[in-house]
Amino acid sequence: DTEVTQTPKHLVMGMTNKKSLKCEQHMGHRAMYWYKQKAKKPPELMFVYSYEKLSINESVPSRFSPECPNSSLLNLHLHALQPEDSALYLCASSQLRANVLTFGAGSRLTVL
Amino acid sequence: GNSVTQMEGPVTLSEEAFLTINCTYTATGYPSLFWYVQYPGEGLQLLLKATKADDKGSNKGFEATYRKETTSFHLEKGSVQVSDSAVYFCALSTAGTASKLTFGTGTRLQVTL
Repeated sequence: DTEVTQTPKHLVMGMTNKKSLKCEQHMGHRAMYWYKQKAKKPPELMFVYSYEKLSINESVPSRFSPECPNSSLLNLHLHALQPEDSALYLCASSQLRANVLTFGAGSRLTVL
Repeated sequence: GNSVTQMEGPVTLSEEAFLTINCTYTATGYPSLFWYVQYPGEGLQLLLKATKADDKGSNKGFEATYRKETTSFHLEKGSVQVSDSAVYFCALSTAGTASKLTFGTGTRLQVTL
C-alpha cells in the first residue's frame, strides 16, 4: 500500500460547526503532515507529527486542532472556522530520515 | 531562509513541443530538490528529485539537473502531451527528523492539440 487516504473529499460547514478531516497511511511512515492550499497557491505547512508527537506547529490558529491517535492515522479537528479557511487540506507522510513526502488527494473544505 | 523561485505561468504549448520550466533556489547548506506535479482536483505527486549537485532526476520523460553553481533545478521534457497539463511545483528541503518542504509558487502548464 503506497497511498495516503484522506476523507472526506469534500466538506461544507458553517462557522459554528465542528467537523474533522481524516488521513490514513499504511506505509510505516513515522512522520505525518497537514498542509493548507489556497487556490492557485503552493501548499503551506500547518503541522508535523513525528512518532505521533506534534513536532511543528506553524503558528496555526487554535480553531484547527490536530490529533495523531496512532502511527497510521492523522486527524484535523475543525471548530468555529472562518470563510477564509476554505481551502484544500492536504495530508502527507514520510519516513523520518527521508525527505520525500507522499501526499493524499486532499479534502476540499468550504466554510459558509 | 530557504526560498524557491519559479517562472510565472501559465505556460501554453502545443503537443510534442519542448518544455522548460525554470526554477532557482536559495538555501543554507545542501538541500534536496524536487519537482511535484498536481493534476486538476488532485493532491501533489512527486515527479522527480535530486539530492546532491550534478544529480539528474528523471521520470515519465521529465528531467531536471541539480546545478549548484547556478542554484537551479530547471524541469525539461522533450515532447509534451495533453495529459501533462497540470501545475508543477519546484521544492526544496533540508532533511531532519521531519522534512519541511519549501515550495515555489507553481507553474501551470496547458498543452493543446
